[in-house]
Amino acid sequence: SAVISQKPSRDICQRGTSLTIQCQVDSQVTMMFWYRQQPGQSLTLIATANQGSEATYESGFVIDKFPISRPNLTFSTLTVSNMSPEDSSIYLCSAERGGPETQYFGPGTRLLVL
Amino acid sequence: EDKVVQSPLSLVVHEGDTVTLNCSYEVTNFRSLLWYKQEKKAPTFLFMLTSSGIEKKSGRLSSILDKKELFSILNITATQTGDSAIYLCAVWRGATNKLIFGTGTLLAVQP
Repeated sequence: SAVISQKPSRDICQRGTSLTIQCQVDSQVTMMFWYRQQPGQSLTLIATANQGSEATYESGFVIDKFPISRPNLTFSTLTVSNMSPEDSSIYLCSAERGGPETQYFGPGTRLLVL
Repeated sequence: EDKVVQSPLSLVVHEGDTVTLNCSYEVTNFRSLLWYKQEKKAPTFLFMLTSSGIEKKSGRLSSILDKKELFSILNITATQTGDSAIYLCAVWRGATNKLIFGTGTLLAVQP
């Protein structure tokens, strides 16, 4: 298994500001992903964080709004830029070693934008 | 467009009851279907199903996949209050290697 930590665990932010969420895995993994879970809804994949190259974004998500970094095999960051109340959500990081049954999730970051 | 739909959206039962949660899907390049339990924040893996008709079992939980009818069920027998959670179904889509999650079923088990 993989142990994943995220920082911050929660935050309250003002409209127009940006927040960077960190994701740390306790061992090297092949794939890292960022998901969003809006209130009362399921998980939506934002992007795949690629080590050493630009992230791969899903339809509806763009790099300017959600820049992602992955400098090595155990760490990634997601920035939520120019926030609006619609960005209020839980953001989850996940990591996978090989195959979806090995995909583990972090505890999530609960974001509230006022 | 790929979609994964779960039913019911929510369910309230009493301890000891048996529940069946449903997941139907329309996903191109289907590879596998996975079930997760989400109690507070992080979903935890329960089962991965790849072949039709083969039941996977873990304690009081079991699951089966029907690839012809494009659905899966998750059964929980003799429910306990600790089973209260959101149960998520996800389909692993080949080619893109990504998980597409369903809407989730919120299960509440009352003492």
